[in-house]
Amino acid sequence: EVQLVESGGALVEPEGSLTLSCAVSGLTFRTAWMAWVRQVPGKGLEWIGRIISIVDGGTTDYNAPLKGRFTISRDDSRNTLYLQISNLKIDDTAIYYCTTADHSHGWYFWGQGTLVTVSS
Amino acid sequence: DIVMTQTPLSSPVTLGQPASISCKSSQSLGHNDGTTYLSWLQQRPGQPPRLLIYKISNRLSGVPDRFSGSGAGTDFTLKISRVEAEDVGVYYCMQATQFPHTFGQGTKLEIK
Repeated sequence: EVQLVESGGALVEPEGSLTLSCAVSGLTFRTAWMAWVRQVPGKGLEWIGRIISIVDGGTTDYNAPLKGRFTISRDDSRNTLYLQISNLKIDDTAIYYCTTADHSHGWYFWGQGTLVTVSS
Repeated sequence: DIVMTQTPLSSPVTLGQPASISCKSSQSLGHNDGTTYLSWLQQRPGQPPRLLIYKISNRLSGVPDRFSGSGAGTDFTLKISRVEAEDVGVYYCMQATQFPHTFGQGTKLEIK
């Protein structure tokens, strides 16, 4: 059974930093393409970016407005995906989801999400 | 960026009746590999998104066959043949043809 478990969400002051984690099990993580998506509570979904598998090149792609403050990385030895967010803004308050894709189905499984609240 | 526009934004439906959601993209979703990367996601209240349909019309394993997807180019449709109570939630179309991937605004399905 595939499981994606996000953690690291917290209440953070503006201009602070945070690292979110997504622990993955039930699939071969080293070949998985992974991504982060966020959702302001009660609103729609926003793509943050993705990281492809190391075997496919390990490259990252970001939604342009978020590039620079958001960094996606992976540790295949720990089956874990990361999202580093710097210089946090009020508008970054959201639930952050990790998701995984395969070549056949696309982004087929989503974690439960972790809540980041940015407030002074 | 490709803009995804869904209609309606809210859909009150009687149990057992059909429902239909339209999704239009600002440009063709046909990838140069010949595939159209259009998916439909369901988000039940308090739950994360769940993939229902991928590549326009393919149901993910375990998705009831009352859900179907169709379309091509820039116009796509999700249909529910007979709405059940568990179908309540918000439905999103999503394109993965071009970066950044983008989503429709969401359509809230509710029971009359």
